[in-house]
Amino acid sequence: SAVISQKPSRDICQRGTSLTIQCQVDSQVTMMFWYRQQPGQSLTLIATANQGSEATYESGFVIDKFPISRPNLTFSTLTVSNMSPEDSSIYLCSAGHSAYEQYFGPGTRLTVT
Amino acid sequence: DAKTTQPTSMDCAEGRAANLPCNHSTISGNEYVYWYRQIHSQGPQYIIHGLKNNETNEMASLIITEDRKSSTLILPHATLRDTAVYYCIAEYSGGGADGLTFGKGTHLIIQP
Repeated sequence: SAVISQKPSRDICQRGTSLTIQCQVDSQVTMMFWYRQQPGQSLTLIATANQGSEATYESGFVIDKFPISRPNLTFSTLTVSNMSPEDSSIYLCSAGHSAYEQYFGPGTRLTVT
Repeated sequence: DAKTTQPTSMDCAEGRAANLPCNHSTISGNEYVYWYRQIHSQGPQYIIHGLKNNETNEMASLIITEDRKSSTLILPHATLRDTAVYYCIAEYSGGGADGLTFGKGTHLIIQP
């Protein structure tokens, strides 16, 4: 198994600003992903964080809005850029060695005012 | 990814078996069935997965029909801590880096 931690756990930000969320895994993992969960909704995959290369984004998500870094096998960041109230969501990181079994962080609750 | 259909919500009495159904009638031969759950204010938690055969682990059992068009997750002795949203996912995972496609899930409420 893997233990995932995220920072910050929550934040309130003003529109037009950016927030960087950190995801730390307690062991080296092959795969890391970022998801968004809007209030009362299910999770939506934003992108796959690729170690040493550009992230792979899902339809509807672009690098300019959600730049992602993954400098090594245990760490990734997601930035939510030029925020608007519609970006208010919970952002979750997941990681694992196989697609069959992913471990999720506790999430970052973002409120944009 | 195959579309999955689950009941919106279910109740179960504490101590009884909770049986959560999932329909995935368009599943293809190389797509697995995964179950995750999300307890309130937490990230999702992996429960179990299977391809064709029934599977059991310390958390649950997964029963997949012979035609693979539906499956049932069984929590053998439900406790209050099993109250959560349960997600059934049917996806191919062929060795590449695949994120998961979550549907709406079933909100399981365990009643004391």
